[in-house]
Amino acid sequence: QSALTQPPSASGSPGQSVTISCTGTSSDVGGYNYVSWYQQHPGKAPKLLIYEVSKRPSGVPDRFSGSMSGDTASLTVSGLQAEDEADYYCSSYAGSNDYVFGTGTKVTVL
Amino acid sequence: QVQLQESGPGLVKPSETLSLTCTVSGGSISGYYWSWIRQPPGKGLEWIGYIYYSGSISYNPSLKSRVTISIDTSKNQFSLKLSSVTAADTAVYYCARMPTTSFDYWGQGTLVTVSS
Repeated sequence: QSALTQPPSASGSPGQSVTISCTGTSSDVGGYNYVSWYQQHPGKAPKLLIYEVSKRPSGVPDRFSGSMSGDTASLTVSGLQAEDEADYYCSSYAGSNDYVFGTGTKVTVL
Repeated sequence: QVQLQESGPGLVKPSETLSLTCTVSGGSISGYYWSWIRQPPGKGLEWIGYIYYSGSISYNPSLKSRVTISIDTSKNQFSLKLSSVTAADTAVYYCARMPTTSFDYWGQGTLVTVSS
């Protein structure tokens, strides 16, 4: 069970969009529609942004959207705001009642 | 509003057993899966395992031989034990609720340092 692969960093100017990828295999990301995304500010607990690939919990702005193609899931943050600067993690069901997280991406708002 | 709070020793000696408890308030522990997740300083998240309120369990294969998760529905608590700890087990440990296949409510996290 290896961690899902995310780019270490991503950046964008306020108002722009940034997309973060999360690459796994057919045994995890590609095998199920069970990818979720989390935002983590320094010293804080992660916050759920997206579940089941593209669903948003109540209270999460629609600037956050998720998608998937093959073994790669993506999180897009549109209309970047200063408060979006944080670490982002994906997670996927990996079969056999197991779960795996991504390596994490640090998003910088320029 | 559901709240989770981790509690337990912040310092554990090498080779000993790490023990943490998560107390759930503002909602029932019944009907959900409950997970433990950890994050070494400066590193990413690692899923440790989960327990269903009825008692079914799943552990991360890489930690399975050292992990025990249990639940006490009468106290609205679930617990983590990690045996034979080393410095590599130093991390912030989070408890979280799993409504289905994601983690929607998290505790604030507790730092556990393994050191003599």
